[in-house]
Amino acid sequence: AQTVTQSQPEMSAQEAETVTLSCTYDTSENNYYLFWYKQPPSRQMILVIRQEAYKQQNATENRFSVNFQKAAKSFSLKISDSQLGDTAMYFCAFMKVPGGGADGLTFGKGTHLIIQP
Amino acid sequence: NAGVMQNPRHLVRRRGQEARLRCSPMKGHSHVYWYRQLPEEGLKFMVYLQKENIIDESGMPKERFSAEFPKEGPSILRIQQVVRGDSAAYFCASSPKQGTEAFFGQGTRLTVV
Repeated sequence: AQTVTQSQPEMSAQEAETVTLSCTYDTSENNYYLFWYKQPPSRQMILVIRQEAYKQQNATENRFSVNFQKAAKSFSLKISDSQLGDTAMYFCAFMKVPGGGADGLTFGKGTHLIIQP
Repeated sequence: NAGVMQNPRHLVRRRGQEARLRCSPMKGHSHVYWYRQLPEEGLKFMVYLQKENIIDESGMPKERFSAEFPKEGPSILRIQQVVRGDSAAYFCASSPKQGTEAFFGQGTRLTVV
């Protein structure tokens, strides 16, 4: 079974700062996907960024980028030039490459990020 | 293309009643996942369905919970004889094929009183 750990229950930063959210995971799988989801107060789960484990290059999506360290099983999210609208819960998630077993996502407990003006 | 639609958004049930949660996947998506989010927790996988088939229900409680995804119509998550501990947000996600990005609905918040 996979586990995902987010060790920061809550973080805060000033607008325009760079923020890094940490995530570690444990798995015996070699092929998998990793995701960061954002959940604002509306409760909608919004995909922020996705990383395929077989790709060495770190994924980037506008102000969002990841630092994927496969050997260390670490997958941190960096938010550059943070904005008030980035205030939300952020969940790290793991998914096995299909081929057997559950294909659902395994989520961490989340980090509540607060961006202050 | 409408997103994943869940209804109702909020559902209040008395202990012992039945709760039925509906999920209409995005157009063209035949894979549906249900998750439960307890307060202050991340989402926990419950069940994965394709049309007319339950593929994986390893996250579903053994009693009182069932799910279906019929050939026609939405996917239904059914909770019989609800208890206070069933109070949570229930999310549905859909994807066009196995292992691809899943899109989430806005969830149904179930409150058992």
